[in-house]
This record gives sequence, C-alpha cells and structure tokens, in this order.
Amino acid sequence: GESVGLHLPTLSVQEGDNSIINCAYSNSASDYFIWYKQESGKGPQFIIDIRSNMDKRQGQRVTVLLNKTVKHLSLQIAATQPGDSAVYFCAEMNYGGSQGNLIFGKGTKLSVKP
Amino acid sequence: NAGVMQNPRHLVRRRGQEARLRCSPMKGHSHVYWYRQLPEEGLKFMVYLQKENIIDESGMPKERFSAEFPKEGPSILRIQQVVRGDSAAYFCASSPDRINPLRISGNTIYFGEGSWLTVV
Repeated sequence: GESVGLHLPTLSVQEGDNSIINCAYSNSASDYFIWYKQESGKGPQFIIDIRSNMDKRQGQRVTVLLNKTVKHLSLQIAATQPGDSAVYFCAEMNYGGSQGNLIFGKGTKLSVKP
Repeated sequence: NAGVMQNPRHLVRRRGQEARLRCSPMKGHSHVYWYRQLPEEGLKFMVYLQKENIIDESGMPKERFSAEFPKEGPSILRIQQVVRGDSAAYFCASSPDRINPLRISGNTIYFGEGSWLTVV
C-alpha cells in the first residue's frame, strides 16, 4: 500500500551540529507535506510545511527539501540544540483526496548530545 | 499546537465502560480532526468534521466509535464498551478552513496535547 516512511529510526547528533532527517513517500499523488515535532507526552507541534509546487522552504533554523522525482522529503535543522531532542514525523496529504487525512510516518527520534 | 484544547488529558476506564474525549479547536477554526497514536507509532487518521457535519470517517472503526462536532460546544470522540486495544493517545487537531493549495501559509493543521486513554 501507499505509505510514508522514514529512512532512519534514530539519529544522534552533537549540540551545534546540523541534523538531517529523511522521509520517503510512495504516493505520487501527495501534494502537501508537513513536518511535526513531538516531545514525550505531548502533541505533534507544527514545524514547517511545503506544497508540491515548491522544492525548498526555509523557516527559523529549519529547511525542508522536497524531491518529487525520487519522492523524498528531508528536514534540516541548523545548529541543533538540546531542546530539539524529540521524535520528528513527516506527514503527507493529497488535496484531491481526503483533505483531513494526513498520513504519518513512524517517526525519527532525534537525540542531541551536549 | 497552542490553542487546541483537549480534555481530559488522562482517562482510565475499565473494560466495557464508555470513554468521552473532548476537543475545542483553536479560535476561528471550524474544521476538526481526530487521530489515534499507539506507542512507538505515528498518528493514524480517524475522522474529519466540520460544524454539525462528518466530512470523512474512513479511519473510524465500524463499531463502538463515534464523533460529533455540534453547532455549539466542543467536538466529542466517544468510545463505547472500551477494550484494552483502545488504549492509546487520541489527538485532536483543527484548521481554519479546508487545506488550500493556493494559500502559502497559515492554513494548516494544528494539534492539541492529546488525551491518553488507558483501559484496565
């Protein structure tokens, strides 16, 4: 079936380094993507989104890259801080399908070493 | 996810009892979504509602689960005759409108802090 998945289930980085979290999606009809951060015991926190008519979008310390050719999405976090430690989920949606149905990957756990 | 209010945050129910989870969307949001998360897994879509209407319930189990979003008051996710397999975190989310591909920002889905249901 079609799904969103993540290449790396865990990622450990040194404080101050850059982090890259990857995501593969298989539904070529997906046209909207969101990255969420989830800390233990809390809800998913919106980080950044990107629509399929773009290949890059930048926020504060974060950049999302979308490669539709290979159906790949990545989240780059610059100068990673201990507060960035969390599980990161990518989620995809097809506007033409169910508008509320975000399909989530299983998540990548980011651990920042001081 | 500031603004989407869920309660209770934690709920313990015995098998066979009913669970009611409430969600107040962010101010100005008229679209509500419910998701379920099992331990160590991503969120799974359950249902999408607008005021007084169910738009998409393709992720809802066929039995025992129901959802509503009345004209006045919060959205309610109701689970009847709970079983241990219902133990999970239930997240509500909201958006101001249908997700619009033409809007650059602001029109997205924001989540609440979740309600953790434990069935004993």
